[in-house]
Amino acid sequence: RKEVEQDPGPFNVPEGATVAFNCTYSNSASQSFFWYRQDCRKEPKLLMSVYSSGNEDGRFTAQLNRASQYISLLIRDSKLSDSATYLCVVNRPNQGGKLIFGQGTELSVKP
Amino acid sequence: DTGVSQNPRHKITKRGQNVTFRCDPISEHNRLYWYRQTLGQGPEFLTYFQNEAQLEKSRLLSDRFSAERPKGSFSTLEIQRTEQGDSAMYLCASSRSGTGSYEQYFGPGTRLTVT
Repeated sequence: RKEVEQDPGPFNVPEGATVAFNCTYSNSASQSFFWYRQDCRKEPKLLMSVYSSGNEDGRFTAQLNRASQYISLLIRDSKLSDSATYLCVVNRPNQGGKLIFGQGTELSVKP
Repeated sequence: DTGVSQNPRHKITKRGQNVTFRCDPISEHNRLYWYRQTLGQGPEFLTYFQNEAQLEKSRLLSDRFSAERPKGSFSTLEIQRTEQGDSAMYLCASSRSGTGSYEQYFGPGTRLTVT
């Protein structure tokens, strides 16, 4: 079993739709959490950090449930430019801060 | 451009040859990480440096792989006697420790194809 697991996707949605991605992690020592976005054949780019209280950045909302070891990302009013792979990432600062990635969920937003 | 840079961007090599990749981190970042990504998977951790010290190596890093960061600035990743299974995107990332933020910023990667 992978340490970080995500919905396999792909998600195909129309413009304007709301889409949610889920992620679970198995190591309770994980302390920091992120969503990265990766466009085809490009490097991952930090989308947002995820905080225990939940946080929002424009159309994007991230939630963390430490008890269930569950992370989510909600995208509202999706745009064509949101098409990408979304990577759920956990970090263990006491292990040098290395990032542990999920396999990613592909999102395709159609006109 | 003050982001992470990597060279070369693409490398095609024949099986058995040695290859070396370079990463230049963001200048004030003291931590540097190498990851490998294959198609359809998320990046996997290979190794990391704090300043010039290599502090952790993944089991993925066989003895054909070596990484250095001699002056705590740029880093090199060398693969000796390449195999077809080494074909992947090699990503470098950097961060700054001691800030309470564990965000890492990635370079554009080096895509290796072993024929």
